[in-house]
Amino acid sequence: EPEVTQTPSHQVTQMGQEVILRCVPISNHLYFYWYRQILGQKVEFLVSFYNNEISEKSEIFDDQFSVERPDGSNFTLKIRSTKLEDSAMYFCASRSASVLGNEQFFGPGTRLTVL
Amino acid sequence: ILNVEQSPQSLHVQEGDSTNFTCSFPSSNFYALHWYRWETAKSPEALFVMTLNGDEKKKGRISATLNTKEGYSYLYIKGSQPEDSATYLCASPSRTNAGKSTFGDGTTLTVKP
Repeated sequence: EPEVTQTPSHQVTQMGQEVILRCVPISNHLYFYWYRQILGQKVEFLVSFYNNEISEKSEIFDDQFSVERPDGSNFTLKIRSTKLEDSAMYFCASRSASVLGNEQFFGPGTRLTVL
Repeated sequence: ILNVEQSPQSLHVQEGDSTNFTCSFPSSNFYALHWYRWETAKSPEALFVMTLNGDEKKKGRISATLNTKEGYSYLYIKGSQPEDSATYLCASPSRTNAGKSTFGDGTTLTVKP
């Protein structure tokens, strides 16, 4: 069964460093998402991406964040200069077009720890 | 602002008990409701996509109901088993093409053998 994959599963970085989180969405899906969950808090929407551009982004998704679909299979989230408060579980999700109810399929997440 | 709430936050039951939890959401401009089952280190797994008022869906021992007029959904687990231990998330996707989802806090279920 097709699934969304994410690498790495755990990333530890120093404050101020750049990180790139990688996702491989399900191959025929057209909409891509990043969410994050800070420990003890709700899963929060960061950004959605369609047709090689950002469709919608939250207030969290500031200039330090960027997304890219560099090669038609990977979908990446870059954080340019990480802060302590960026420590969270980051989930990638994807969905196909015109699905009733907009069902999304999630990857297993990357746990980012900023020291 | 769309606010999705879940209760209780956590639940501990004995194997064989039946249990249920609640997801509440704003009833205005409702589009759909998703239930996910999330085990640590695994992908959140979609259990149900619910769109119509009065929907009742079932998957094995797990079922869900939807009331869009009053803005709530119940998830039921009949005869809980230790393997049902997980966090159960509900989420409300927007009806736009971007379709971002707003999540509740989740209910963490622990089933003791």
